[in-house]
Amino acid sequence: DVVVTQSPLSLPVTSGRPVSMSCRSSQSLAHSDGNTYLSWFHQRPGQSPRRLISRVSIRDSGVPDRFSGSGSGTDFTLKISRVEAEDVGVYYCMQGIEWPWTFGQGTKVEIK
Amino acid sequence: VQLQQSGPGLVKASQTLSLTCDIFGDSVSGKSVAWNWIRQSPSRGLEWLGRTYYRSKWYNDYAESVKSRITINADTSQNQFSLHLNSVTPEDTAVYYCTRGYFSSCDYWSQGILVTVSS
Repeated sequence: DVVVTQSPLSLPVTSGRPVSMSCRSSQSLAHSDGNTYLSWFHQRPGQSPRRLISRVSIRDSGVPDRFSGSGSGTDFTLKISRVEAEDVGVYYCMQGIEWPWTFGQGTKVEIK
Repeated sequence: VQLQQSGPGLVKASQTLSLTCDIFGDSVSGKSVAWNWIRQSPSRGLEWLGRTYYRSKWYNDYAESVKSRITINADTSQNQFSLHLNSVTPEDTAVYYCTRGYFSSCDYWSQGILVTVSS
């Protein structure tokens, strides 16, 4: 299985400041069809995960533009340009290049 | 698209866990989508269990960790799909989600059901 590793596991942040988190995969997520299958999800306590970004950098409808994804191959980053209180929770990345799809262990974002 | 789960929240060990996911706004036999079951627990994190999809005929894929115990079925008349996991143990206690898979990602998730396996 493709192993997905996120860092850091915990991320205390100051409201209004930028933040970034990392996701690394054990093999390249680039497909021969030209797409790279890496997604980001946000999960608030007691809620289902909500997808923010697919294929590295494509924001889902309704996702604020303060969220951005980047990266290639095996190294990826999610950035929040200015953290807001509603952004707290756990962020997961997921690879979709190979079955079974696998998730990282999550980065927990909390406001200082 | 909305996904609505149903099923018991408590199952006894050695019995079968059965959940159903009703689909609104899409078709279970859609040509470009797949329908997944994923679970989440503190010990295992988010774990993909399996999927069903239709491409002129029905296909299923299952995670190796549950392959001997899992069945996923689609019901086109009800526009739903189901999960059956037999011989459960307390290790199967988790929040279970159904999701839509499209372009190698899960774009819609259900509300989740906590299923507790009692010993």
